[in-house]
This record gives sequence, structure tokens and C-alpha cells, in this order.
Amino acid sequence: NAGVTQTPKFRILKIGQSMTLQCAQDMNHNYMYWYRQDPGMGLKLIYYSVGAGITDKGEVPNGYNVSRSTTEDFPLRLELAAPSQTSVYFCASSSLGSNQPQHFGDGTRLSIL
Amino acid sequence: GESVGLHLPTLSVQEGDNSIINCAYSNSASDYFIWYKQESGKGPQFIIDIRSNMDKRQGQRVTVLLNKTVKHLSLQIAATQPGDSAVYFCAESRTSGTYKYIFGTGTRLKVLA
Repeated sequence: NAGVTQTPKFRILKIGQSMTLQCAQDMNHNYMYWYRQDPGMGLKLIYYSVGAGITDKGEVPNGYNVSRSTTEDFPLRLELAAPSQTSVYFCASSSLGSNQPQHFGDGTRLSIL
Repeated sequence: GESVGLHLPTLSVQEGDNSIINCAYSNSASDYFIWYKQESGKGPQFIIDIRSNMDKRQGQRVTVLLNKTVKHLSLQIAATQPGDSAVYFCAESRTSGTYKYIFGTGTRLKVLA
């Protein structure tokens, strides 16, 4: 049971480039989340999804987009990379809503130069 | 990763001693709380959770205490081991009307041999 799998693990982008961070879970969880983690800060919610076809903005959605075409996959898209998006990105999933623990992937470390 | 741990408060504990990590939560309406452990280069790992109808919950070598009066949460680790070295942070949520967590910034636990 792989849990939550994120790819790639590391990436360096140039300003203005675009990329997609992949996230897949094999636990049949309805709820999925994208966070960014900056040094000395708590996790900040970018986008979340309560099921296939349903997504919503979190605290810091600007510069990002998501889609949820299947229960398993929840990719995060950066269209025009900016230095402020340098961060570690975590994907998480949970079986129910906010009263169940979220399970995290090991993250994607992204640098924008 | 390591960059996440910069500027965090640090607790240094001798191997074999008990550790107590504290967390002040922000929302008096929060009714579900979780402790996570994050090792260098890894995603947050669920340790233990507690709901607001409880004051204490025990797991394997860990105990979580909840004081709703002062909005305080603590994680106690018994007989701390070198493998316990990590960043620990709490998360709070409100089970009605939201799927979102609020995450603390974390405490770095260093276990001294």
C-alpha cells in the first residue's frame, strides 16, 4: 500500500516556466489537499477537493490551478512560475473531512530561479 | 526537509528521558486535534489525534493532553529514542462546516545520546 505518492521529488524551474506536480493516492480517499511549506511556517492550504470533479480554493491559491478527474489523482499546476513559489509542496488525503487524519506524501521540493 | 526546521524552537532531551512538546491552538471552536511528526526530507506522519470530548489519549509511547480552557495541547513521548528526533507540529480543525486544518509551525526535538 503506497499511500500518497508525489512526483517529482525535486525540480528547478526558470521564472515563467510551467509545470505540473503529480499526486496520487491508493486509499480510495475522497478528500485531497495541496499545501506549501515555507521555512519556519506552518503548512498553508493551496487547494482542496472533496471528491472527483469538485475543487475549491484554500488560503493561498494565487498562481496555482488544480483538477480532480479521478478519485486517485489530484495534480497541481503552476502556469507562470515565480520566485515566491519556491517551496516544498505536500499533497495529502483523508477518508472523510476534517475529523479524520490527513495522510501526506513526501513532498516536492521546488526552486524557481 | 532541513530548511523547514530553520528558526523553529528546539527541545533537546537525553535519550531515555520523557519529552513534552506543547502547542497553543487558536480557535476555541476547534474540536479535533492531531499531532504530526516530520523527519528531514519526509512528509508529515500522523502520530495521534484527540477529539474535544476527551482530555487525554494514549498511544504507543505517546500521550496527548488537551486543555480546552487555555486552548493548549501537549504531546508526551515516553523513553525518548534517537528515532524520535524530528519536527513535531499540531493541527486543529472544526468538524462542522469545514474540511480545513490549521497547522502550527512546529518544534524540533533533538535526542541526545
